[in-house]
Parts: sequence; structure tokens; C-alpha cells
Amino acid sequence: GNSVTQMEGPVTLSEEAFLTINCTYTATGYPSLFWYVQYPGEGLQLLLKATKADDKGSNKGFEATYRKETTSFHLEKGSVQVSDSAVYFCALSYSGTSYGKLTFGQGTILTVHP
Amino acid sequence: DGGITQSPKYLFRKEGQNVTLSCEQNLNHDAMYWYRQDPGQGLRLIYYSQIVNDFQKGDIAEGYSVSREKKESFPLTVTSAQKNPTAFYLCATQQVGETDTQYFGPGTRLTVL
Repeated sequence: GNSVTQMEGPVTLSEEAFLTINCTYTATGYPSLFWYVQYPGEGLQLLLKATKADDKGSNKGFEATYRKETTSFHLEKGSVQVSDSAVYFCALSYSGTSYGKLTFGQGTILTVHP
Repeated sequence: DGGITQSPKYLFRKEGQNVTLSCEQNLNHDAMYWYRQDPGQGLRLIYYSQIVNDFQKGDIAEGYSVSREKKESFPLTVTSAQKNPTAFYLCATQQVGETDTQYFGPGTRLTVL
């Protein structure tokens, strides 16, 4: 079956540090890949996505590249801010017989200190 | 104001009681989903519906029930058969034909006393 594995958290950084959150996946076919962000007490917001190999998704300074050869979709940001503190989820969607079903990683808690 | 609304934001239930969580959307999206979120486990799919009057079980449907009588509404009932219902419940929608993007509501936190 499909699965998503994220790096263990929590991750604690100082403001302006470089961020990498690793994400690898197992799936049949060619899934779409997503990063969602969840701020405290809220639902999930789509951060970025990529729908085919070598695509790069980007938003708000965050980037992730769909690497089929390494089955990875690592999230990066060059300079984090305190406001980036949240939980980040990597996910994949593979229609198959279950239309639009998202499979999530376990989430990575990011805390950024001033 | 467009989007997805979930109510209530916080819900307390005594053991043995059924409780219904509301999810309403005015995005005119065809598909709707219910997820359960537990600490350190990510989100798990409970039920989903692609069209009105049709729905399918997700990965953890036991102890839950849903209905889809209207396109805008997809209520989730947590029954007394659900052994560990305390969790954060998230509703999501998706437009058929879009590239797999789901949009989430703000969630309902259910606590069993």
C-alpha cells in the first residue's frame, strides 16, 4: 500500500536558520505530492504541491522537488521566521480506486525561536 | 464568506453517548472527507463521499457513521461503539477534476469525559 514517512521531530531552529524536513514515500504509479501546514488549533492549509517527477512546488519561501528516483519530496526554506512555527505534513494522493484519497505522514513539529 | 465550516469547535461527550459533528461547505465541491488526527499519528481517513447519497469507508470507519443527503453537508456521527473517540476531527473537500488538492475545515476537538 501507499505510505509516507517524515523525519522525526520536533525540530527547533533559530530565526533565519535553514530548514529541511525530509519526506519519502512508497506508492504504486505516479502520485501527486503535497506539503500541508497546520497552525495551532487550526485545520490544515495546503502549502505547496507537485504532480509529476522533477516538478518543484513553492510558496511563501518554501520549496520541495518531486524526486522519483529517490521517492522523496523534502521541504526546504532558506530562512525561517517565528511565524513558521507549526506542524508540517507530507502527503500523497493516488487515485487508483479511491478517488483523491490522501495518505499522510505523521507530521513534523517545527518551533522557531527569535 | 466562502469555505468550510465545522461545528462545534469543542465538543464534550460522556461515555456511551453518540455525538454528531457538522461539516458544511459552500465551495460547490463534489467530494467530502472526514479525517481523525491523533498526536504523532498524522491524519487517518474515516469516511469519504464523492457524490450525494454515496459514501465509502476509509481506513478507520469502525464506530463512525456518515450521511450525504446534500452536496453541501457531510455530518459525522461518532457512536458509542468507537472505543477511543477523543481526537481532533477534520473535514475536507475536493473538486472532482482538480489535481487532487483537498481543502480543510478548522476542525472539531472531541473529548470524551
